[in-house]
Amino acid sequence: DQQVKQNSPSLSVQEGRISILNCDYTNSMFDYFLWYKKYPAEGPTFLISISSIKDKNEDGRFTVFLNKSAKHLSLHIVPSQPGDSAVYFCAAGLAGAGSYQLTFGKGTKLSVIP
Amino acid sequence: DSGVTQTPKHLITATGQRVTLRCSPRSGDLSVYWYQQSLDQGLQFLIQYYNGEERAKGNILERFSAQQFPDLHSELNLSSLELGDSALYFCASSVAGRGVETQYFGPGTRLLVL
Repeated sequence: DQQVKQNSPSLSVQEGRISILNCDYTNSMFDYFLWYKKYPAEGPTFLISISSIKDKNEDGRFTVFLNKSAKHLSLHIVPSQPGDSAVYFCAAGLAGAGSYQLTFGKGTKLSVIP
Repeated sequence: DSGVTQTPKHLITATGQRVTLRCSPRSGDLSVYWYQQSLDQGLQFLIQYYNGEERAKGNILERFSAQQFPDLHSELNLSSLELGDSALYFCASSVAGRGVETQYFGPGTRLLVL
């Protein structure tokens, strides 16, 4: 049972336009969400996070939106740049019993076309 | 550079063998997490250690074990290796002070079992 789903395996966007990556989750107990970016042959790099008490968090060109009622979050990248081309993973956390493990989606490969 | 180091970068071995993967967390981080990423899969949480003690277990096989040493580095031991164990193994670390925290990932160890 996949608790965190990224239904789009890939996404292509023109440079300068907005990239929207989506993520759905099934466990309503998740209280912390993160986005990671991964380049080939490297480990995932932390991008941005959001707590379940918020519905939006912004950091430069990156904004994460959380819709708890729909169990949905999205990452917006504006404007998209060729260097943003990577695999993006959505992750959710459940801080229960002192365990801070993250559950990851399978990733969305973003290609930004110059 | 996340500050998390993993060795070796690549490992090729045969079925039935045993290997040890090593991880050094970021300076000051007390928690270490191990993840497995198989082909076309997201990152699967294996196990978490906090300050030398096991904190949480995920989908870790009985053939796999881990430990965290007093200097906080961690080792993941994989034994009786099977072809299906071929994957990327990532280590991540976090401060693990309060709540769910951002985890910082190492570059990974690519294991190939022949």
